[in-house]
Amino acid sequence: EVQLLESGGGLVKPGGSLRLSCAASGFTFSSYSMNWVRLTPGKGLEWVSSISSSSSYIYYADSVKGRFTISRDNAENSLYLQMNSLRAEDTALYYCIKSCGYPCHWGQGTLVTVSS
Amino acid sequence: DIQMTQSPSTLSASVGDRVTITCRASQSISSYLAWYQQKPGKAPRLLIYKASSLESGVPSRFSGSGSGTEFTLTISSLQPDDFATYYCQQYNSYSWTFGQGTKVEIK
Repeated sequence: EVQLLESGGGLVKPGGSLRLSCAASGFTFSSYSMNWVRLTPGKGLEWVSSISSSSSYIYYADSVKGRFTISRDNAENSLYLQMNSLRAEDTALYYCIKSCGYPCHWGQGTLVTVSS
Repeated sequence: DIQMTQSPSTLSASVGDRVTITCRASQSISSYLAWYQQKPGKAPRLLIYKASSLESGVPSRFSGSGSGTEFTLTISSLQPDDFATYYCQQYNSYSWTFGQGTKVEIK
């Protein structure tokens, strides 16, 4: 069974940093692209970033480009999202997603709150 | 970015009703469209991919159709477990975009 377990969310002040992690199991992690998508009450679901299976291709939404960095460790079956210079509008539930070309499996999400 | 417009935003229906949700893309996305169901506190669940392919384990009362810019999700006979929020999503480009969601409520 595919499992994606996010962690690392929490309360952070504007301008601060957080690193999200996603532990994957139940599939050959190194064969799949992975993604982060966030859910906010105001904007709904927003794609954040994607990374190909070997990390050769990395993409970011314009809203996070230059502030967030996606990475993965295929030996550890883990996906990461380093978030710097956080803003109030980054407050969201962040989902780790396995891509089958489309989001085929979602984690439960980890909540990030940016507030002073 | 490709914009996805879902309608309606809220839908009130009764058990047994036939329900249709529409999703429009701002440009052609061929058949690269998926539909998800989300319940409070739960991760989104994939229902349909490639516009009309039913994900394994999803009841056959769910169906999807369309191509290009116009898509629909149909629930043939609404069941109590189906009251939830539904999202469409395009994956024609690496920059995925989602509809704003349709909340299906009990009438």
